Amino acid sequence: AQKITQTQPGMFVQEKEAVTLDCTYDTSDPSYGLFWYKQPSSGEMIFLIYQGSYDQQNATEGRYSLNFQKARKSANLVISASQLGDSAMYFCAMRERNNNDMRFGAGTRLTVKP
Amino acid sequence: GAGVSQSPSNKVTEKGKDVELRCDPISGHTALYWYRQRLGQGLEFLIYFQGNSAPDKSGLPSDRFSAERTGESVSTLTIQRTQQEDSAVYLCASSLFREDNGYTFGSGTRLTVV
Repeated sequence: AQKITQTQPGMFVQEKEAVTLDCTYDTSDPSYGLFWYKQPSSGEMIFLIYQGSYDQQNATEGRYSLNFQKARKSANLVISASQLGDSAMYFCAMRERNNNDMRFGAGTRLTVKP
Repeated sequence: GAGVSQSPSNKVTEKGKDVELRCDPISGHTALYWYRQRLGQGLEFLIYFQGNSAPDKSGLPSDRFSAERTGESVSTLTIQRTQQEDSAVYLCASSLFREDNGYTFGSGTRLTVV
């Protein structure tokens, strides 16, 4: 069974600094995808970034990058140059190739301080 | 439409009543998912539709929950004989059937059972 663990219930970061949100996962399927979503207080879920299990390079999307360490089963999200608008819940998720559903972690609440 | 549309945005119902939640996916998206999010928690998979294939109902918590989708159009999630434990935000998402696709989520229906 797939399992996603986010060990940081809450994180604080100073505006303009970088922050790393942790995510570890557990799967026996060699083919899977890892995703990060942002959920602001408005409640919508916003897709941020994707990493495939066979991708050789870490995924990047603007200020977001994914620190993918396959042997450690770790997929941490790095947000550079934090902005006040980055304050939100962040969810790590995984979908195995042979599964229909995407499983989500419990989330990390990020607060950016001015 | 431009995004995933869910209605109603808020629903308050009395314990024991039936409710129907509606999801209108992005046109052309073959996959549709329902998730439940209890207050302060992550997303719990409920059901998955892919085109005209039989749905994956493995996440439905009890036989009081059911969902329908006709082809690649609107989906309805029905909860019969609602209980207070059913109070949550119900999120719908759709996606193109591609491995690296994140889902596009709707804004959710906040269900409160009193």
